[in-house]
Amino acid sequence: EIVLTQSPGTLSLSPGERATLSCRASQSVSSSYLAWYQQKPGQAPRLLIYGASSRATGIPDRFSGSGSGTDFTLTISRLEPEDFAVYYCQQFGRSPSYTFGQGTKLEIK
Amino acid sequence: QVQLVQSGAEVKKPGSSVKVSCKASGGTFNTYAINWVRQAPGQGLEWLGGIIPIFATANYAQKFQGRVTITADDSTSTAYMELSSLRSEDTAVFYCARADPDPSWYDTSGYPLRFDYWGQGTLVTVSS
Repeated sequence: EIVLTQSPGTLSLSPGERATLSCRASQSVSSSYLAWYQQKPGQAPRLLIYGASSRATGIPDRFSGSGSGTDFTLTISRLEPEDFAVYYCQQFGRSPSYTFGQGTKLEIK
Repeated sequence: QVQLVQSGAEVKKPGSSVKVSCKASGGTFNTYAINWVRQAPGQGLEWLGGIIPIFATANYAQKFQGRVTITADDSTSTAYMELSSLRSEDTAVFYCARADPDPSWYDTSGYPLRFDYWGQGTLVTVSS
């Protein structure tokens, strides 16, 4: 089973700053199989990025995804107050199966 | 637009079972996989399993094999997740999730590569 490790665990930044979140896989993952989600307290996760770099419908262009193989990145170019949340990466594995990273909490500094 | 509406919160005793429902509306029900994901308090997301209703055969995460049963009722567009032999560690919010029907984002297994739509979540509390 592929393990996804996200870093950092918590990221403290101010509105307007740039956020870079990392997701590292224990084995190579097809870019098509990598997605990112945002989750706010008391809410279900929301799809942000799929196929490692494609934005989901309605997601602002300040969110971008990149990476390949075992290293993937979610970047938020200029943080807005509503972006402070927990972010998860997710990969699809054949069987089928799905695994998630443990999450990165983005908090206001 | 797909909407997923789940059943309400449950409180269960250790050793008992819980069955959570997920009613889908908007779009075709029986050809698109519905998956179940849980989240323990303050913890991350964990996939339990999924089902493509038209095939009626579910796939389960190895961790939950033998303890979870996922079914679907095409006549009511509702999927169900039943978890048995509950213990306190099973206290969590359970979500159902589905993807957009765009076939380019599905694996040959019929399962989606991502989850576009989520239910509102159902809190299951296991306590004596």
